[in-house]
Amino acid sequence: AQSVTQLGSHVSVSEGALVLLRCNYSSSVPPYLFWYVQYPNQGLQLLLKYTTGATLVKGINGFEAEFKKSETSFHLTKPSAHMSDAAEYFCAVSDQAYSTLTFGKGTMLLVSP
Amino acid sequence: GAGVSQSPRYKVAKRGQDVALRCDPISGHVSLFWYQQALGQGPEFLTYFQNEAQLDKSGLPSDRFFAERPEGSVSTLKIQRTQQEDSAVYLCASSLGASGSSDEQFFGPGTRLTVL
Repeated sequence: AQSVTQLGSHVSVSEGALVLLRCNYSSSVPPYLFWYVQYPNQGLQLLLKYTTGATLVKGINGFEAEFKKSETSFHLTKPSAHMSDAAEYFCAVSDQAYSTLTFGKGTMLLVSP
Repeated sequence: GAGVSQSPRYKVAKRGQDVALRCDPISGHVSLFWYQQALGQGPEFLTYFQNEAQLDKSGLPSDRFFAERPEGSVSTLKIQRTQQEDSAVYLCASSLGASGSSDEQFFGPGTRLTVL
């Protein structure tokens, strides 16, 4: 069975500061890894995904994530936070045989001026 | 519109009522997924369709939950004899490819179900 652990239900940063949202996964097979963002009363939007190849993945809105197999991690980063980044972020995993996603519990990112 | 749409956006039901939630996926998308998102939690998988075939229903929490996609397009999630623990946001997602692809899942805005 697959699982995802997101450390910290809430992360607070100042505008312009580094954003780091942590995600660790467990999977018995090579995984596909995803980060989604959810704004209030909206559906989830894909930020980025890792399938194969380069382990550093760049996504939309300046976010990137690095797949580290040895650490079973897929942490999300952004060099400089913007007020519009305030939202809930979900890490997810799927195996290569099926497409269903297993999500973490989410991390709410709060950005202060 | 070009995205996934869901209706109704909000539904209030009395305990014991039956409800039906509708999902209109992106046209031409082969795969359709239903997820349940309880308050403060991440979405949890309910069921998966490839065209009209329901290939995985392992996430349905009880036999009160039933989903269909008869023509391989619109899908309906039905909950019979609703209980308070069914209160959640129900998310629908669709993707272009079949099971096993890494295609992006596009999510609808969800239906928020409140059971009183």
